[in-house]
Amino acid sequence: EAGVAQSPRYKIIEKRQSVAFWCNPISGHATLYWYQQILGQGPKLLIQFQNNGVVDDSQLPKDRFSAERLKGVDSTLKIQPAKLEDSAVYLCASSLDRAGRAWDTQYFGPGTRLTVL
Amino acid sequence: DQQVKQNSPSLSVQEGRISILNCDYTNSMFDYFLWYKKYPAEGPTFLISISSIKDKNEDGRFTVFLNKSAKHLSLHIVPSQPGDSAVYFCAASGGGSEKLVFGKGTKLTVNP
Repeated sequence: EAGVAQSPRYKIIEKRQSVAFWCNPISGHATLYWYQQILGQGPKLLIQFQNNGVVDDSQLPKDRFSAERLKGVDSTLKIQPAKLEDSAVYLCASSLDRAGRAWDTQYFGPGTRLTVL
Repeated sequence: DQQVKQNSPSLSVQEGRISILNCDYTNSMFDYFLWYKKYPAEGPTFLISISSIKDKNEDGRFTVFLNKSAKHLSLHIVPSQPGDSAVYFCAASGGGSEKLVFGKGTKLTVNP
């Protein structure tokens, strides 16, 4: 079974530029998550999708971050414009359960390391 | 406000000995707890979990203990192996939210 795919793996941009990350979850997984992991911190949930609907985006900085999950499969996370403090690893995860319950195992992709100069 | 705390940034143990990783939480509404393991340049992988109705869960070399009165959980690895060297994250959820809240992680090094 293929795991969660993410691209690109690394990205370096200058502040005020825009950037987009792509995630392809495990086939059949209804729930998709985007996390931000700043160096020395644990992952922090940015947004959770159930199929193509948003369940939780309470920690997403909506003035600059946006995300979509078209057709309930792939997802894209965008930052526009980027700030220095957005430097982090952006992790995508998926889980099978349609209710997105915490005890349903989340499978993480390798992440995209973003550096904002 | 850090609701899940892993106060030891790093831990070093000898191969074959026990590794004990600790985690404290402040939100009494948390009712489900998980441990994830992360190798460099990879995403976290699920290791073991425990519900608040239990005080112990075991899976092979890994055991998680939960002390609800102390709001404390620990992960025991026995015996430790060099391949266990990784960053271990404690996570919790509950209180009407299914969102996972992660600690900062503890880097475990198992020396041969």
